[in-house]
Amino acid sequence: SQTIHQWPATLVQPVGSPLSLECTVEGTSNPNLYWYRQAAGRGLQLLFYSVGIGQISSEVPQNLSASRPQDRQFILSSKKLLLSDSGFYLCAWSANYGTVLVGEKLFFGSGTQLSVL
Amino acid sequence: RKEVEQDPGPFNVPEGATVAFNCTYSNSASQSFFWYRQDCRKEPKLLMSVYSSGNEDGRFTAQLNRASQYISLLIRDSKLSDSATYLCVVILDNMLTFGGGTRLMVKP
Repeated sequence: SQTIHQWPATLVQPVGSPLSLECTVEGTSNPNLYWYRQAAGRGLQLLFYSVGIGQISSEVPQNLSASRPQDRQFILSSKKLLLSDSGFYLCAWSANYGTVLVGEKLFFGSGTQLSVL
Repeated sequence: RKEVEQDPGPFNVPEGATVAFNCTYSNSASQSFFWYRQDCRKEPKLLMSVYSSGNEDGRFTAQLNRASQYISLLIRDSKLSDSATYLCVVILDNMLTFGGGTRLMVKP
């Protein structure tokens, strides 16, 4: 069966510090991968998605970046965090049927609660 | 107008009650629809897909109304464990959009 691992679960970082969140998927090949952010009491905002190694699409301009160095590894980074980067970050995967279909029956990691102080 | 809108609630209902949520979408060409459930400080989990003919899974019924551009989720015989936020999801042109969620609180 497929599993998705995301860490850390909680992170408190000072403004201006770097960020690295990692997500890995097991039990499937060539998944679509996603990073979402959920602000308190708000809906999910898609930040990045990837349909293959080295292929990253950004949905919103920001000081965050994403990378996919391996098929089942997705990393969210920042060189300098802002207060507004605080939120609940979720990694997710969906099956890739060989099209550019993005999103359908997403399976989420357990999330990272990031507080920037 | 937001692409996908939900009443944020909270909906406070007693155990055993029937409750229904709607989710409206702005683009009539939207192709696929889903309901997700999210517990507090947890990840969303797929609850059920929404088919044109409607679908039922135990106490949960999902329906699609293309003419009025909304989907609905009906929960019968509410349980305390149904307390959560319910997110609707709409897919259009290979892009997935989440609604802001409706919070349900089931009270004893």
